[in-house]
Amino acid sequence: AQSVTQLDSQVPVFEEAPVELRCNYSSSVSVYLFWYVQYPNQGLQLLLKYLSGSTLVKGINGFEAEFNKSQTSFHLRKPSVHISDTAEYFCAVSDLYGGATNKLIFGTGTLLAVQP
Amino acid sequence: EPEVTQTPSHQVTQMGQEVILRCVPISNHLYFYWYRQILGQKVEFLVSFYNNEISEKSEIFDDQFSVERPDGSNFTLKIRSTKLEDSAMYFCASSIAGYNEQFFGPGTRLTVL
Repeated sequence: AQSVTQLDSQVPVFEEAPVELRCNYSSSVSVYLFWYVQYPNQGLQLLLKYLSGSTLVKGINGFEAEFNKSQTSFHLRKPSVHISDTAEYFCAVSDLYGGATNKLIFGTGTLLAVQP
Repeated sequence: EPEVTQTPSHQVTQMGQEVILRCVPISNHLYFYWYRQILGQKVEFLVSFYNNEISEKSEIFDDQFSVERPDGSNFTLKIRSTKLEDSAMYFCASSIAGYNEQFFGPGTRLTVL
């Protein structure tokens, strides 16, 4: 069975500092990987995804993530954060061969708290 | 930009009552999903739907739950007899293909009293 681990429940960081949100996954098969962001009282918005190809994936709002198959990780990074990046970030995995539909398995989320 | 919409944004109901949560997926999408997020917990998969039938469901999706696509635009989740533990945010999502990214709606907050 697949699982996603986000070890950091909360990451405080000062504005304009770099940040890394960690994500590790467990799966016996090849997977797709995603990062979603949830702003307060809003739904989930896709930040970026890894399906295949280059292991460095660039997303919206200046975020990027690197797929590391040997370490089963998909950490999210941003070189300089803004106050507006304060939100909950969810890592998710989907089975590459999940059949007709690929359900997303989510991690527990990391609250990125950007301070001035 | 097309988006997934959900109604109502907040539903309050008494335990034992039936509720129907409504979703309008993106118009050219073919795959539909329901997820839920209990307060403070992670987002959990409930069910996926394709070609007018359930493709996959989780252990959470028991006989109290059902889904339907009653017309060409709506996708509904029905809970027949709500329990206190059904209180959660329910998200609808859709994708153009099974392996593509899923677009999420803003959610319906269900409160069971």
